[in-house]
Amino acid sequence: DAGITQSPRHKVTETGTPVTLRCHQTENHRYMYWYRQDPGHGLRLIHYSYGVKDTDKGEVSDGYSVSRSKTEDFLLTLESATSSQTSVYFCAISERTGDNSPLHFGNGTRLTVT
Amino acid sequence: AQTVTQSQPEMSVQEAETVTLSCTYDTSESNYYLFWYKQPPSRQMILVIRQEAYKQQNATENRFSVNFQKAAKSFSLKISDSQLGDTAMYFCAFRPNTGNQFYFGTGTSLTVIP
Repeated sequence: DAGITQSPRHKVTETGTPVTLRCHQTENHRYMYWYRQDPGHGLRLIHYSYGVKDTDKGEVSDGYSVSRSKTEDFLLTLESATSSQTSVYFCAISERTGDNSPLHFGNGTRLTVT
Repeated sequence: AQTVTQSQPEMSVQEAETVTLSCTYDTSESNYYLFWYKQPPSRQMILVIRQEAYKQQNATENRFSVNFQKAAKSFSLKISDSQLGDTAMYFCAFRPNTGNQFYFGTGTSLTVIP
Protein backbone atom coordinates (compact mmCIF):
# COMPACT_ATOMS: atom_id res chain seq x y z
CA ASP A 1 0.00 0.00 0.00
CA ALA A 2 1.13 3.55 -0.79
CA GLY A 3 2.40 5.38 2.29
CA ILE A 4 -0.24 8.06 2.70
CA THR A 5 -1.36 9.27 6.10
CA GLN A 6 -4.25 11.61 6.66
CA SER A 7 -4.85 13.34 9.96
CA PRO A 8 -7.09 13.60 11.77
CA ARG A 9 -9.20 10.58 10.92
CA HIS A 10 -12.34 12.22 12.30
CA LYS A 11 -13.11 15.77 13.32
CA VAL A 12 -16.14 17.62 14.60
CA THR A 13 -15.99 21.39 14.51
CA GLU A 14 -18.31 24.36 14.79
CA THR A 15 -19.42 26.67 12.02
CA GLY A 16 -17.02 29.55 11.54
CA THR A 17 -13.94 27.89 12.97
CA PRO A 18 -10.80 27.26 10.90
CA VAL A 19 -9.86 23.67 10.17
CA THR A 20 -6.68 22.18 8.70
CA LEU A 21 -6.43 18.66 7.37
CA ARG A 22 -3.04 17.14 6.78
CA CYS A 23 -1.82 14.66 4.20
CA HIS A 24 1.62 13.12 4.51
CA GLN A 25 3.19 10.79 1.94
CA THR A 26 6.35 8.72 2.03
CA GLU A 27 6.36 7.84 -1.69
CA ASN A 28 8.05 11.01 -2.98
CA HIS A 29 5.29 11.37 -5.58
CA ARG A 30 5.08 14.70 -7.34
CA TYR A 31 1.31 15.06 -7.57
CA MET A 32 -1.01 15.39 -4.59
CA TYR A 33 -4.77 15.91 -4.55
CA TRP A 34 -7.59 16.74 -2.17
CA TYR A 35 -11.04 15.35 -2.96
CA ARG A 36 -14.29 15.47 -1.10
CA GLN A 37 -16.80 12.62 -1.23
CA ASP A 38 -20.50 13.24 -0.84
CA PRO A 39 -23.43 10.91 -1.53
CA GLY A 40 -24.70 11.34 -5.08
CA HIS A 41 -21.65 13.36 -6.11
CA GLY A 42 -18.86 10.83 -6.11
CA LEU A 43 -15.41 12.35 -5.63
CA ARG A 44 -14.91 15.97 -6.52
CA LEU A 45 -11.54 17.66 -6.77
CA ILE A 46 -10.91 20.55 -4.42
CA HIS A 47 -7.27 21.42 -5.11
CA TYR A 48 -4.21 19.66 -6.34
CA SER A 49 -0.46 20.19 -6.34
CA TYR A 50 2.06 19.43 -9.05
CA GLY A 51 5.13 20.29 -7.01
CA VAL A 52 6.35 22.16 -3.97
CA LYS A 53 4.53 25.49 -3.81
CA ASP A 54 2.73 24.67 -7.09
CA THR A 55 -1.02 24.26 -6.67
CA ASP A 56 -4.16 24.68 -8.71
CA LYS A 57 -7.88 24.75 -8.14
CA GLY A 58 -10.31 21.95 -8.78
CA GLU A 59 -14.03 22.09 -9.42
CA VAL A 60 -15.10 22.78 -5.82
CA SER A 61 -12.33 25.02 -4.48
CA ASP A 62 -14.45 27.83 -3.00
CA GLY A 63 -13.93 28.06 0.77
CA TYR A 64 -10.75 25.98 0.70
CA SER A 65 -7.06 26.77 0.48
CA VAL A 66 -4.02 24.51 0.28
CA SER A 67 -0.32 24.66 0.88
CA ARG A 68 2.59 22.45 -0.02
CA SER A 69 5.87 23.53 1.49
CA LYS A 70 7.48 20.09 1.27
CA THR A 71 7.12 17.25 -1.20
CA GLU A 72 5.66 14.98 1.46
CA ASP A 73 3.03 17.27 2.98
CA PHE A 74 -0.14 18.76 1.51
CA LEU A 75 -2.42 20.75 3.80
CA LEU A 76 -6.07 21.59 3.20
CA THR A 77 -7.50 24.52 5.14
CA LEU A 78 -11.09 25.54 5.61
CA GLU A 79 -10.72 29.17 6.64
CA SER A 80 -14.20 29.37 8.17
CA ALA A 81 -16.00 26.06 8.18
CA THR A 82 -19.62 25.86 7.03
CA SER A 83 -22.15 23.04 7.33
CA SER A 84 -21.91 22.48 3.56
CA GLN A 85 -18.32 21.41 4.10
CA THR A 86 -19.39 18.42 6.15
CA SER A 87 -17.94 15.60 4.08
CA VAL A 88 -15.35 12.87 3.82
CA TYR A 89 -12.06 14.27 2.56
CA PHE A 90 -9.55 12.14 0.70
CA CYS A 91 -5.96 12.89 -0.07
CA ALA A 92 -4.48 11.13 -3.08
CA ILE A 93 -1.09 10.98 -4.76
CA SER A 94 0.14 10.15 -8.23
CA GLU A 95 3.64 9.55 -9.45
CA ARG A 96 3.37 10.88 -12.99
CA THR A 97 1.01 12.25 -15.58
CA GLY A 98 0.84 11.26 -19.21
CA ASP A 99 0.61 7.55 -18.52
CA ASN A 100 -1.57 5.12 -16.63
CA SER A 101 -0.17 5.98 -13.19
CA PRO A 102 -3.15 5.67 -10.88
CA LEU A 103 -4.20 7.67 -7.88
CA HIS A 104 -3.33 6.18 -4.52
CA PHE A 105 -5.58 7.27 -1.70
CA GLY A 106 -5.28 7.92 1.98
CA ASN A 107 -7.92 6.52 4.33
CA GLY A 108 -9.95 9.71 4.44
CA THR A 109 -10.98 12.24 7.07
CA ARG A 110 -14.59 12.50 8.12
CA LEU A 111 -15.32 16.14 8.93
CA THR A 112 -18.55 17.22 10.59
CA VAL A 113 -19.36 20.91 10.86
CA THR A 114 -22.09 21.63 13.39
CA ALA B 1 -15.04 19.58 -20.10
CA GLN B 2 -14.53 15.99 -19.06
CA THR B 3 -17.44 14.16 -17.50
CA VAL B 4 -17.90 10.63 -16.25
CA THR B 5 -21.35 9.10 -15.88
CA GLN B 6 -22.33 6.03 -13.90
CA SER B 7 -26.02 5.54 -14.53
CA GLN B 8 -26.62 2.74 -12.01
CA PRO B 9 -26.65 4.11 -8.46
CA GLU B 10 -27.28 0.67 -6.96
CA MET B 11 -26.99 -2.90 -8.15
CA SER B 12 -27.15 -6.34 -6.62
CA VAL B 13 -25.95 -9.76 -7.71
CA GLN B 14 -26.16 -13.27 -6.36
CA GLU B 15 -22.97 -14.78 -5.07
CA ALA B 16 -21.03 -16.63 -7.81
CA GLU B 17 -22.94 -14.81 -10.57
CA THR B 18 -21.61 -12.21 -13.00
CA VAL B 19 -22.44 -8.52 -12.91
CA THR B 20 -21.58 -5.61 -15.19
CA LEU B 21 -21.28 -2.02 -14.03
CA SER B 22 -21.58 0.68 -16.66
CA CYS B 23 -19.55 3.83 -17.15
CA THR B 24 -19.59 6.37 -19.94
CA TYR B 25 -17.45 9.45 -20.34
CA ASP B 26 -17.30 12.52 -22.49
CA THR B 27 -14.05 13.95 -23.77
CA SER B 28 -12.50 15.51 -26.83
CA GLU B 29 -9.12 13.99 -26.01
CA SER B 30 -7.80 11.24 -28.23
CA ASN B 31 -5.59 9.64 -25.63
CA TYR B 32 -6.50 9.05 -22.02
CA TYR B 33 -6.62 6.50 -19.23
CA LEU B 34 -9.53 4.86 -17.48
CA PHE B 35 -9.73 3.32 -14.03
CA TRP B 36 -12.13 1.47 -11.79
CA TYR B 37 -11.83 1.90 -8.03
CA LYS B 38 -13.54 -0.08 -5.30
CA GLN B 39 -14.54 1.42 -1.96
CA PRO B 40 -15.64 -1.19 0.61
CA PRO B 41 -17.36 -0.17 3.85
CA SER B 42 -13.91 0.43 5.35
CA ARG B 43 -13.82 3.59 3.18
CA GLN B 44 -10.48 2.63 1.67
CA MET B 45 -10.16 3.37 -2.08
CA ILE B 46 -8.68 0.42 -3.94
CA LEU B 47 -7.61 0.36 -7.59
CA VAL B 48 -9.35 -2.51 -9.36
CA ILE B 49 -8.29 -2.19 -12.98
CA ARG B 50 -7.01 0.32 -15.53
CA GLN B 51 -7.08 0.72 -19.29
CA GLU B 52 -5.13 2.83 -21.74
CA ALA B 53 -7.29 4.30 -24.52
CA TYR B 54 -4.71 3.49 -27.18
CA LYS B 55 -4.90 -0.22 -26.36
CA GLN B 56 -7.64 -2.13 -28.11
CA GLN B 57 -7.31 -5.18 -25.88
CA ASN B 58 -9.55 -5.10 -22.85
CA ALA B 59 -7.78 -5.19 -19.50
CA THR B 60 -8.29 -8.15 -17.16
CA GLU B 61 -7.34 -8.65 -13.52
CA ASN B 62 -8.39 -12.06 -12.23
CA ARG B 63 -12.21 -11.96 -11.88
CA PHE B 64 -12.40 -8.36 -13.05
CA SER B 65 -12.44 -7.36 -16.70
CA VAL B 66 -13.49 -4.35 -18.70
CA ASN B 67 -15.36 -3.82 -21.94
CA PHE B 68 -13.79 -0.74 -23.45
CA GLN B 69 -15.62 0.73 -26.43
CA LYS B 70 -13.70 3.83 -27.47
CA ALA B 71 -16.09 4.98 -30.17
CA ALA B 72 -19.03 4.75 -27.78
CA LYS B 73 -16.95 6.24 -24.92
CA SER B 74 -17.95 3.35 -22.73
CA PHE B 75 -15.91 1.57 -20.07
CA SER B 76 -17.89 -1.10 -18.25
CA LEU B 77 -16.61 -3.36 -15.48
CA LYS B 78 -17.49 -7.02 -15.38
CA ILE B 79 -17.12 -8.96 -12.16
CA SER B 80 -17.24 -12.73 -12.59
CA ASP B 81 -17.92 -15.27 -9.85
CA SER B 82 -19.04 -12.52 -7.49
CA GLN B 83 -17.95 -12.86 -3.89
CA LEU B 84 -19.30 -11.34 -0.70
CA GLY B 85 -16.13 -9.27 -0.44
CA ASP B 86 -17.03 -7.56 -3.70
CA THR B 87 -19.78 -5.67 -1.87
CA ALA B 88 -18.62 -2.07 -2.22
CA MET B 89 -19.06 1.24 -3.96
CA TYR B 90 -17.39 1.24 -7.38
CA PHE B 91 -16.12 4.39 -9.03
CA CYS B 92 -15.15 4.88 -12.63
CA ALA B 93 -12.41 7.45 -13.25
CA PHE B 94 -10.95 9.17 -16.29
CA ARG B 95 -7.59 10.84 -16.73
CA PRO B 96 -6.74 12.74 -19.92
CA ASN B 97 -3.25 12.42 -21.31
CA THR B 98 -2.85 16.18 -20.98
CA GLY B 99 -3.38 17.85 -17.62
CA ASN B 100 -3.06 16.57 -14.10
CA GLN B 101 -6.63 15.84 -13.09
CA PHE B 102 -8.66 12.70 -12.57
CA TYR B 103 -12.43 12.83 -13.07
CA PHE B 104 -14.76 10.52 -11.21
CA GLY B 105 -18.28 9.24 -11.70
CA THR B 106 -20.86 9.30 -8.92
CA GLY B 107 -20.39 5.64 -8.12
CA THR B 108 -22.39 2.40 -8.17
CA SER B 109 -23.18 0.66 -4.91
CA LEU B 110 -22.90 -3.09 -5.46
CA THR B 111 -24.32 -5.63 -3.03
CA VAL B 112 -23.46 -9.31 -3.36
CA ILE B 113 -26.27 -11.44 -1.97
CA PRO B 114 -25.39 -14.78 -0.34
